[in-house]
Formats: sequence, structure tokens, C-alpha cells
Amino acid sequence: LAKTTQPISMDSYEGQEVNITCSHNNIATNDYITWYQQFPSQGPRFIIQGYKTKVTNEVASLFIPADRKSSTLSLPRVSLSDTAVYYCLVGAANQAGTALIFGKGTTLSVSS
Amino acid sequence: KAGVTQTPRYLIKTRGQQVTLSCSPISGHRSVSWYQQTPGQGLQFLFEYFSETQRNKGNFPGRFSGRQFSNSRSEMNVSTLELGDSALYLCASSTSTYEQYFGPGTRLTVT
Repeated sequence: LAKTTQPISMDSYEGQEVNITCSHNNIATNDYITWYQQFPSQGPRFIIQGYKTKVTNEVASLFIPADRKSSTLSLPRVSLSDTAVYYCLVGAANQAGTALIFGKGTTLSVSS
Repeated sequence: KAGVTQTPRYLIKTRGQQVTLSCSPISGHRSVSWYQQTPGQGLQFLFEYFSETQRNKGNFPGRFSGRQFSNSRSEMNVSTLELGDSALYLCASSTSTYEQYFGPGTRLTVT
């Protein structure tokens, strides 16, 4: 499993766009990049997954450059309710029995 | 579609006791994983079950065990509880490895 590095914390204001970058220099050819969001005392929630270029859903966008050694989770116009911990995970999408390895994540604090 | 459910949501036990936690996965999901979350260690993988078979196990002592039933429901058991076992225990079900759906967790307090 590729090791990931992401900022420990970020601060933002309501209405701003937030970009959280994750570094994964040792990503393997068949690895996907997945982001989870976790609110206090709740289980993590799957946000988005991608392999290359750009993926967008109703919650976020994921930008992956051609070399795939990093990725950026983009949250448009954040609100107070986006205050949470965001985890970047890298690994094969369908490798049977693989455990998700969560790092420390990025604690995003959104204020008014 | 109903989400992952975990029971009980909160539990207080005494050192030395044992505890059983239950997890009902999303309908159709055959893989169930368990995680322990503490402020100091973060989210740590306990084990994963698929079709009643344990496919993967994390680095936890043998006091932590689990099982899965034919309807995919899963239970985890912790015997001889220690203070350090106080944590949020999370269950996740999935059909693919990295898109897992987590339950609300069981908050276990050992006194």
C-alpha cells in the first residue's frame, strides 16, 4: 500500500474553495486514490475515488496529475458543516481482503 | 437502502469482562470490516470477513475476535477487557475494497 502524506490541518471560511493535497510518491499502477470524510464520533464517509485526471461528484472534485504522485481534493464553497477530518487513501480498488490504512488525515476547520 | 447498523451504540464495561458488538451490513454487501478508533492511534484495522471467512487480520491481540454469519451480519468479541480497549469500534461493509460504508460505531468505555 502506498504511503500518503497530507497536511495535518487547514483553516477556511465559509464560501471559500478548499483544496487539500495528498502526496503519494510510491503509487502503484493499479492503485486508486480515495478520500473519506469523518465527523466527530461518526464513521468515515466515502467522498470520492479516482484513478487519473479529474473526477467530480455532487460533493467534491478530485484532481490527479499525469504522474499520479499527488492528488487534490477540492471542496467548493465550504460551509460550517464541512468541518471534519479528511483522509486520503491509496490502494488497489478490488484487492480481496485489503485493509484500509487511515493516516492522521487533514482536520479542516471552517469558520464564519 | 438502509445503512450499516451497529448495536449497541454505547457500552460501559469493567476491566476483565468481555463484550460482544454487532454489525448489520448494507443489504447485498458480503464484506464486513472492523476498525478501532482511539485519539492516540487513530483508525486501526481489526479484521475483515467475507462469506463467513476471515480474509485479513490486523495487528491486535487474540483477545479480539470476530465472526460472520450466513446473512453477512458480523459480531466482534473482546475478552478480558483492558482500560486501553476504550474506543470507538466501527464496522464497515462493502462490495469493493476502497468504497466502504461505515456504521455509526459503538462507543466502548472500560472502567
